[in-house]
Amino acid sequence: GDSVTQMEGPVTLSEEAFLTINCTYTATGYPSLFWYVQYPGEGLQLLLKATKADDKGSNKGFEATYRKETTSFHLEKGSVQVSDSAVYFCALSSGGYQKVTFGTGTKLQVIP
Amino acid sequence: DAGVIQSPRHEVTEMGQEVTLRCKPISGHNSLFWYRQTMMRGLELLIYFNNNVPIDDSGMPEDRFSAKMPNASFSTLKIQPSEPRDSAVYFCASSLTERGLAVDNEQFFGPGTRLTVL
Repeated sequence: GDSVTQMEGPVTLSEEAFLTINCTYTATGYPSLFWYVQYPGEGLQLLLKATKADDKGSNKGFEATYRKETTSFHLEKGSVQVSDSAVYFCALSSGGYQKVTFGTGTKLQVIP
Repeated sequence: DAGVIQSPRHEVTEMGQEVTLRCKPISGHNSLFWYRQTMMRGLELLIYFNNNVPIDDSGMPEDRFSAKMPNASFSTLKIQPSEPRDSAVYFCASSLTERGLAVDNEQFFGPGTRLTVL
């Protein structure tokens, strides 16, 4: 079945540091890939997405590129801020009805 | 749009009691999902509906859990009887699909219900 593996957290960075959160996936066919973010006390919200190979999703300074050859969708940001502290979920959707498979989440803490 | 609305936001109950969680999806969305989030198991899909019809309930943990969607604007998740291991945050999410395929590939989550079973 479909699965998503993302790096264990927590990740602690200083403000303005470079961020990478690794994500790899296993899926049948050609899935769509997503990064969701969950701020404390809130539900998940879509951060960015990519629907086909070599697509780059981007939003709020975050980027991720759909790499079919390595089945990866790593999240990057060049300069993190304290306000980026949250839990980040990598996810995929490869079937109908928008069924989404989520990774376990990676907690990011950015310190001033 | 008000987004996905869930109630209550917090629920504390005693073991053996019935618990009902409620969800109002975004108007016009035709797919609805119930998730459970715990530290140990992460985010788990419990059940999802399309056009008010349950499509996959394989994630429902056991017969104590049931979910209904009587119309396009309301769904409930019921636990009877509740147990301490049911303590978790329960999320409802909705999306738009056409002929079974996602239209915009995005699920919109509600703020969740934090359930504590003593």
